[in-house]
Amino acid sequence: AQTVTQSQPEMSVQEAETVTLSCTYDTSESDYYLFWYKQPPSRQMILVIRQEAYKQQNATENRFSVNFQKAAKSFSLKISDSQLGDAAMYFCAYTGAGSYQLTFGKGTKLSVIP
Amino acid sequence: DTAVSQTPKYLVTQMGNDKSIKCEQNLGHDTMYWYKQDSKKFLKIMFSYNNKELIINETVPNRFSPKSPDKAHLNLHINSLELGDSAVYFCASSLGHRSNQPQHFGDGTRLSIL
Repeated sequence: AQTVTQSQPEMSVQEAETVTLSCTYDTSESDYYLFWYKQPPSRQMILVIRQEAYKQQNATENRFSVNFQKAAKSFSLKISDSQLGDAAMYFCAYTGAGSYQLTFGKGTKLSVIP
Repeated sequence: DTAVSQTPKYLVTQMGNDKSIKCEQNLGHDTMYWYKQDSKKFLKIMFSYNNKELIINETVPNRFSPKSPDKAHLNLHINSLELGDSAVYFCASSLGHRSNQPQHFGDGTRLSIL
């Protein structure tokens, strides 16, 4: 079974600084997809960024980028120029190719200090 | 326009009662999901439907019964509610059953059992 591990239950970052959230996963599949979701206090689940395992290039969405290390099964999220609105729970998620199912990590609570 | 909408947003009820949560999506997606988020924020898949057919049924008590009258709706009925059912329930949808398609989430329904 696939597992997703987020080893940092809580992180904090100073406004305008950069922070990296860690995620590792365990799978025997070669083709899969990885996602980062953000859950602010409003409770919504918002897709931040996604990565296809067959792509070597790291995904980037504005201030959000990932460091995808397939051999190490690592998928970290970097947030640059942190803003107060980035404060939220961040969930890393995995799905195998052909699978309907998202497996989530336990989340990292990010606080942004003004 | 709300893409994935759940009603109600909050549900407070007594142990032993039967309740339903409704979910509708206007994205034209044909796959829908129910997730449970426990008090520790852990998200776990419960059910998934593709074109009104059940495709994922995780280990969930049979007191939980999903119903999909059409591909835009996936409702969740819960019988004989127990204290442990208190959680936030999220509905989600995605385009087809391709795993690279991101899931779009509703705002969640917070269920509290007294």
